[in-house]
Parts: sequence; structure tokens; C-alpha cells
Amino acid sequence: DGGITQSPKYLFRKEGQNVTLSCEQNLNHDAMYWYRQDPGQGLRLIYYSQIVNDFQKGDIAEGYSVSREKKESFPLTVTSAQKNPTAFYLCASSPDFGNSPLHFGNGTRLTVT
Amino acid sequence: GDSVTQMEGPVTLSEEAFLTINCTYTATGYPSLFWYVQYPGEGLQLLLKATKADDKGSNKGFEATYRKETTSFHLEKGSVQVSDSAVYFCALLGNTGGFKTIFGAGTRLFVKA
Repeated sequence: DGGITQSPKYLFRKEGQNVTLSCEQNLNHDAMYWYRQDPGQGLRLIYYSQIVNDFQKGDIAEGYSVSREKKESFPLTVTSAQKNPTAFYLCASSPDFGNSPLHFGNGTRLTVT
Repeated sequence: GDSVTQMEGPVTLSEEAFLTINCTYTATGYPSLFWYVQYPGEGLQLLLKATKADDKGSNKGFEATYRKETTSFHLEKGSVQVSDSAVYFCALLGNTGGFKTIFGAGTRLFVKA
């Protein structure tokens, strides 16, 4: 079955360490996205990529970085510069950018202590 | 900029009760509107969508009508089940400037047996 795989489901890190969250899709979608979800808030866009080798900052990109070297993969690195990294991170994809609903993975819960 | 406002939760209902979750939006142009559902520990799934005024989206007994005159897209279901307990997100995808999906804060629904 086609879908989006995020791994791991739970991730624990010490403050000051960088950590990379994995996102892989086999839907053959061009566009991919990273959202952050905090309790009681909607989803906030971190980064998005319309096509391979291209990505743009979303609304809360500070302290995060991404790469899009392959169509199916869009890893997110949470750097030590991110002031409040503990959150639920959701990866999504869509067939094209700006014209389709989103397909989501099951998320990674990151806890930084 | 574009925005989505939905009623605060949690909403607690008994099984077979009628459900309404209010959603209003602010957007330039003619956005597409969506309802997504998030079950515990999972990512979001598209529940229904409407792409133009007066369209009615429906799925699994849920319905919502795109009302341009009131800028609303309220979610309704005639008889809820315990399995409908989840968080519901209203969202819009604008078609002017940005082409990004904007989410409301989410409404948590609890259905009691």
C-alpha cells in the first residue's frame, strides 16, 4: 500500500544535540511538507518542497533544516538552535503543490530534555 | 493573510447524538476547504473537501457545505459513534499568493457510549 512512513515514532534527545527525523513516501508525489503540532494549536508549517532539489521555508523554519535529494525522501533536522523542540512532527505529501489535499504520515514525537 | 477559526473543544456527546463543529475562514480569492481527522497517536487523514461555493463534501456520514456568503464550512453528522472520537481540523488551501494549506486549531470530540 502506498503511504508515508515516518520514523521513529518516539525520539528522545538531550538538549544541544541535533536530531534528524525521517520521512519517506511511495506515493510518487512531487510536493512534501513538514508540520509541527503543539497541544491546543493547529499545525504550523516548517518547510516545504515543491520538487526534488528545491525547498522553501515555511512559517516557523528557524532552528530547522531539510534536504530533498530524492523524490521519495524529505528528512528534517532539528538543530540545537531550535529554542523549544519538544513537539509532534508531521510529514505530509501531495501530488502537486498548491492544488491538492495533503497525505500525512503518523508522526514522530520528539522529546528534548 | 488567510486564516481558519473553529470552535474550541472539547466537545462531549453521547452516542447517536447530532454533531456540529463550526468553522469560519478568512481568505482572498476562492479557496478550497477541507476537514481532516486525527485519531489518537496518528497523523491527519482527509475526511472531506469542497472546492467551490455551495459544494457539499461528504464521507462516512459526515457532511460540510461551502458557504461563501457566511465564509463557513461547518462539519455535521447526524448520529455519532464512539469510534468518531478524535480531533477534527478545518483547513483551507488558498489559490492566491502562497498556495499553502492553513489549519484551524482543531476541535477534540469525545463520544460516550
